[in-house]
Amino acid sequence: GENVEQHPSTLSVQEGDSAVIKCTYSDSASNYFPWYKQELGKGPQLIIDIRSNVGEKKDQRIAVTLNKTAKHFSLHITETQPEDSAVYFCAASTPDDKIIFGKGTRLHILP
Amino acid sequence: GAVVSQHPSRVICKSGTSVKIECRSLDFQATTMFWYRQFPKQSLMLMATSNEGSKATYEQGVEKDKFLINHASLTLSTLTVTSAHPEDSSFYICSAGGVNSPLHFGNGTRLTVT
Repeated sequence: GENVEQHPSTLSVQEGDSAVIKCTYSDSASNYFPWYKQELGKGPQLIIDIRSNVGEKKDQRIAVTLNKTAKHFSLHITETQPEDSAVYFCAASTPDDKIIFGKGTRLHILP
Repeated sequence: GAVVSQHPSRVICKSGTSVKIECRSLDFQATTMFWYRQFPKQSLMLMATSNEGSKATYEQGVEKDKFLINHASLTLSTLTVTSAHPEDSSFYICSAGGVNSPLHFGNGTRLTVT
């Protein structure tokens, strides 16, 4: 089945700098890659997603890139702010629509 | 606003009792919903896929008789943890959506079994 690897597990970034989280997936049939932000005690919130027919997508300070050949996808957050501190999960959708998550990255924005 | 509503947000129960968690899709119909479990500081693990009008499909290692799933309507799925034990204490999260729409999650249910 699908396996999603995510790194780093923890990331500390100075406020205003950029943060990058990287993921790989194993199932070449996966075609949808969402990213979720989870704050303490809450469910994951979708922040951006990308489908396999697109290589890059941007929404304000957040961008995602996808390399289908290498089975890599990445999340980029620019001009980080304190409210960006949270746990971020990448995920891949299997052909039967199951979402398989990476292990998460705890992002700390330092003042 | 929220597109998936989950209730209750927190529940404490005694060992041996059963607990029901509800997941509702708001403003859209969901023929499929997913149930996840998340232990502290860990990722979300898919437990089962809830299918409207038919039996749920469970992931390997998840006991179907312990985690009863009912998806009786296009907007409601329920997860019942039967004969709960302390090791069932966890954060349970449902989601709905799919191929043609993003998957949205409820805000989770924190279950504590004493």
